[in-house]
Amino acid sequence: GDSVTQMEGPVTLSEEAFLTINCTYTATGYPSLFWYVQYPGEGLQLLLKATKADDKGSNKGFEATYRKETTSFHLEKGSVQVSDSAVYFCALSAREGYQKVTFGTGTKLQVIP
Amino acid sequence: SAVISQKPSRDICQRGTSLTIQCQVDSQVTMMFWYRQQPGQSLTLIATANQGSEATYESGFVIDKFPISRPNLTFSTLTVSNMSPEDSSIYLCSVEAGGYNEQFFGPGTRLTVL
Repeated sequence: GDSVTQMEGPVTLSEEAFLTINCTYTATGYPSLFWYVQYPGEGLQLLLKATKADDKGSNKGFEATYRKETTSFHLEKGSVQVSDSAVYFCALSAREGYQKVTFGTGTKLQVIP
Repeated sequence: SAVISQKPSRDICQRGTSLTIQCQVDSQVTMMFWYRQQPGQSLTLIATANQGSEATYESGFVIDKFPISRPNLTFSTLTVSNMSPEDSSIYLCSVEAGGYNEQFFGPGTRLTVL
């Protein structure tokens, strides 16, 4: 079945550092890929998405590129802020028809001043 | 996109009781989803609720424990029945909107069972 593997956290970075959170997936066909973010005490928000190979999703300075050859969708940001402290979830869903969304285990990011 | 509200936002309940969680969406949607997020864990899909039909439950979840109603295209409820401390979790509802199975989530209901 479909699965998503994320790097384990927590990840602690200083403000303005470069962020990478690794995500790889296993799926049949060509799934859509997502990054969701969960700020403390809140529900999940869609951060960005990519729906086909080589697509780059971007939002709020975060980027992720759909790499079919390596089945990866790594999240990056050039300069993190304290306000980026949250849990980040990588997820996928098959594109054809309805298929449930499969989530990774989440990576907690803490940015210190 | 879709804006989703949930009630209650949090609750503390006694063992053996039941709690009904409400989910309201600002637009009509075909499918609504209920997830559980146990402390420090990822999301686990409980069931998918379509208007006018029985909910579809994932492996490990049963209707007697988590009955779901879906009376119209903007509303759903999830009941957590005969609760035990192991049911302490965040319960989230979501809807599919925007294509490509993109889901939008409510703020969640934080449940503590004593």
